[in-house]
Amino acid sequence: KAGVTQTPRYLIKTRGQQVTLSCSPISGHRSVSWYQQTPGQGLQFLFEYFSETQRNKGNFPGRFSGRQFSNSRSEMNVSTLELGDSALYLCASSLVQGVNTEAFFGQGTRLTVV
Amino acid sequence: AQSVTQLGSHVSVSEGALVLLRCNYSSSVPPYLFWYVQYPNQGLQLLLKYTSAATLVKGINGFEAEFKKSETSFHLTKPSAHMSDAAEYFCAVTRTGGGNKLTFGTGTQLKVEL
Repeated sequence: KAGVTQTPRYLIKTRGQQVTLSCSPISGHRSVSWYQQTPGQGLQFLFEYFSETQRNKGNFPGRFSGRQFSNSRSEMNVSTLELGDSALYLCASSLVQGVNTEAFFGQGTRLTVV
Repeated sequence: AQSVTQLGSHVSVSEGALVLLRCNYSSSVPPYLFWYVQYPNQGLQLLLKYTSAATLVKGINGFEAEFKKSETSFHLTKPSAHMSDAAEYFCAVTRTGGGNKLTFGTGTQLKVEL
């Protein structure tokens, strides 16, 4: 069974640009969550999607957005990139929404903003 | 709101020695607690989870953790460290109704020496 796939693995963007990251969950999983990992702030929750609806949202500015498609694949978009957006972005998928379900993480997308 | 505190950003042990990684939680409602491991340039892998079924939780790779409500702790232990255990470990918490929104601790880097 294939794991969570995130593309691309590495990305370099310039300040002011926008970027779209993709996450393909494990087959059959309907919940996708996104996290930002930085040395200074650690792991922070961005948002969660379940059945194409945003169910939870973290404390990030509106420049960070996401969506989920009918096949459960998810994308997150960051507009007007800032240097501080440089981070490892992790996607996690779960079978359903709920605390008893294990979240399986992808390997992440390393975004560097220059 | 829930939170977790991991004491010790870096822990060093000798191969074969006991591993003890500390995690204390804060939650106004019964928490669900998790330990994840992250190897360099990888995503997160679930080691074990506490969901109120049993206070002593056994996970993968010989790790276990004990939920102690009186001490608000969920420390991770392994009787005998192996070189392959060197990684970063994260404690995380969520709550009933919290969906898959995990709040992570700041992480503990485990070093295993010969």
